Amino acid sequence: DTEVTQTPKHLVMGMTNKKSLKCEQHMGHRAMYWYKQKAKKPPELMFVYSYEKLSINESVPSRFSPECPNSSLLNLHLHALQPEDSALYLCASSHVPGLGSSNYGYTFGSGTRLTVV
Amino acid sequence: EDQVTQSPEALRLQEGESSSLNCSYTVSGLRGLFWYRQDPGKGPEFLFTLYSAGEEKEKERLKATLTKKESFLHITAPKPEDSATYLCAVQPLYGNNRLAFGKGNQVVVIP
Repeated sequence: DTEVTQTPKHLVMGMTNKKSLKCEQHMGHRAMYWYKQKAKKPPELMFVYSYEKLSINESVPSRFSPECPNSSLLNLHLHALQPEDSALYLCASSHVPGLGSSNYGYTFGSGTRLTVV
Repeated sequence: EDQVTQSPEALRLQEGESSSLNCSYTVSGLRGLFWYRQDPGKGPEFLFTLYSAGEEKEKERLKATLTKKESFLHITAPKPEDSATYLCAVQPLYGNNRLAFGKGNQVVVIP
């Protein structure tokens, strides 16, 4: 299995809703990532998990809450979002650099298109 | 600070008209340079990883090359289905596990 699966593909939520984005991979990768991408811009890193522990939080507002329940799953919990949070949310995974693997390429999921109304 | 600059920002090609995309980078030690293809509304699709200067990789009509300062993505005899945004990203050798992305090359191939 060489895929990163994200659900749902599309999500429309109100500013008072609580929702979650889900990501799953079965490639044995122990690093997982959340990115946010606006139209015609490159992906922006939000969070990095390494061995199921949060290693990087790029000063993301607390209305975004990540969770890594196990080595295959990554969630992003959303609460009280703003319209400007509307974007494509991408999950990615990779081997953890520096542990003997020579392949550090990131595999991205197809994304969740989030619209906040 | 790690920096990645891609040029040109946008490129229109006639079908069959070969061209090259440039990715210039500044990084304190390179672990890897990645090329991705991204279609509108979709996630980036992995194309190549390059690790050291002089390395070249090919896939169908695409060929990626790497020097100590830049990478080129050569598109040979492009077809309309090669229309996409091509993203370049570098991973530094030291420090946190981050990718630094360029802004992308938006390529349109006209039949």
